[in-house]
Amino acid sequence: QVQLLGSGPGLVKPSETLSLTCIVSGGSISSYYWSWIRQPPGKGLEWIGYIYYSGSTNYNPSLRSRVTISLDTSKNQFSLKLNSVTAADTAVYYCATDASGWGYFDYWGQGALVTVSS
Amino acid sequence: QSVLTQPPSASGTPGQRVTISCSGSSSNIGSNYVYWYQQLPGTAPKLLIYSNNQRLSGVPDRFSGSKSGTSASLAISGLRSEDEADYYCAAWDDSLSGVVFGGGTKLTVL
Repeated sequence: QVQLLGSGPGLVKPSETLSLTCIVSGGSISSYYWSWIRQPPGKGLEWIGYIYYSGSTNYNPSLRSRVTISLDTSKNQFSLKLNSVTAADTAVYYCATDASGWGYFDYWGQGALVTVSS
Repeated sequence: QSVLTQPPSASGTPGQRVTISCSGSSSNIGSNYVYWYQQLPGTAPKLLIYSNNQRLSGVPDRFSGSKSGTSASLAISGLRSEDEADYYCAAWDDSLSGVVFGGGTKLTVL
């Protein structure tokens, strides 16, 4: 049973970089598409992107210029960096596993609320 | 605006059957699998249906999914109070090369 625990600062200033980490337990990092999904308060879900265990990445075109997802197999964790943030990036950020790479999100972290504000 | 279109709300009384629709295009639903997620208040989404109509292990058979052309539906029969939640459809989009979600449907059990 894979368990995901996301963490990071809850408050980020505008124009700075949002950084989140997701620690993986109960499963091998050498499988799955390791994904990030966000949900602005009171709104729907938005796919941010994924990193495959091989290191290949795929990002939402609307965020591609600002996002980086990385994988640290030695620490069994993966990370999200989103730069040049604005208030529109305020959201609950979920880490999740995608078993297919096409939207089969079977395990989710608890979610981390990140607020962008000065 | 979401790439996949869902009604913002749906409702039903206990025991009723409710259907939630999800409309897309040839680049997403029309050519790829549809997934359905349930999000209870204050919690992370949970996968209910994958590959259009397959229930994840442990999901009651009251939940069923279907797909026709560029549209998909989630049906919930024998509605129960604990089914009150937000429901999202998702699919891969070939044009965007990414996963797209519907805007979500808030199901109220009256």
